[in-house]
Amino acid sequence: DAKTTQPTSMDCAEGRAANLPCNHSTISGNEYVYWYRQIHSQGPQYIIHGLKNNETNEMASLIITEDRKSSTLILPHATLRDTAVYYCIVPGGTSYGKLTFGQGTILTVHP
Amino acid sequence: DAGVTQSPTHLIKTRGQQVTLRCSPKSGHDTVSWYQQALGQGPQFIFQYYEEEERQRGNFPDRFSGHQFPNYSSELNVNALLLGDSALYLCASTLGLAGHGYTFGSGTRLTVV
Repeated sequence: DAKTTQPTSMDCAEGRAANLPCNHSTISGNEYVYWYRQIHSQGPQYIIHGLKNNETNEMASLIITEDRKSSTLILPHATLRDTAVYYCIVPGGTSYGKLTFGQGTILTVHP
Repeated sequence: DAGVTQSPTHLIKTRGQQVTLRCSPKSGHDTVSWYQQALGQGPQFIFQYYEEEERQRGNFPDRFSGHQFPNYSSELNVNALLLGDSALYLCASTLGLAGHGYTFGSGTRLTVV
């Protein structure tokens, strides 16, 4: 699996955009970037994934740099319920099902 | 639309015993993976099942085994329980072996005493 690096923690004010960075400099050309989050005492929740192009869904946007060595997850209008641990994952090759969860970023949204 | 269902939600076992955890995937999903999450850590991949076969396996001993049934539900079995097996066990499902985006259950909290 490609190694990912995320900040340990981030803060965000409610209603503002939360931008969570992830470095994955060893990513290969056919590897996807996935984002999951885990709210306390719950199972992880899939947010979004991408290969090369920027992606957007009802939860978030994913911006991937042109060289694919880093990405940013954007929560456009953070709410208190977005407080969670956010994981950036790059499964190796075609091992889409083998998700390696690192330490992730603890996002705290403040009122 | 029911998501991933796991049972039981909590379980207490004694060292040396055996345990079976159960998982029903989200409707329409056919691939199931299991994870172990120790307190304060991220989930660790145990194995993945597709078409009733183990397709990928993480770094877990043979005491951890599984099964997938024709209706896509799955079981995780752990033999000779150790205190270190105490954790939250998560089941996740998706459609297809190369499916993107897994849906996770809320987990089974196993305590070994």
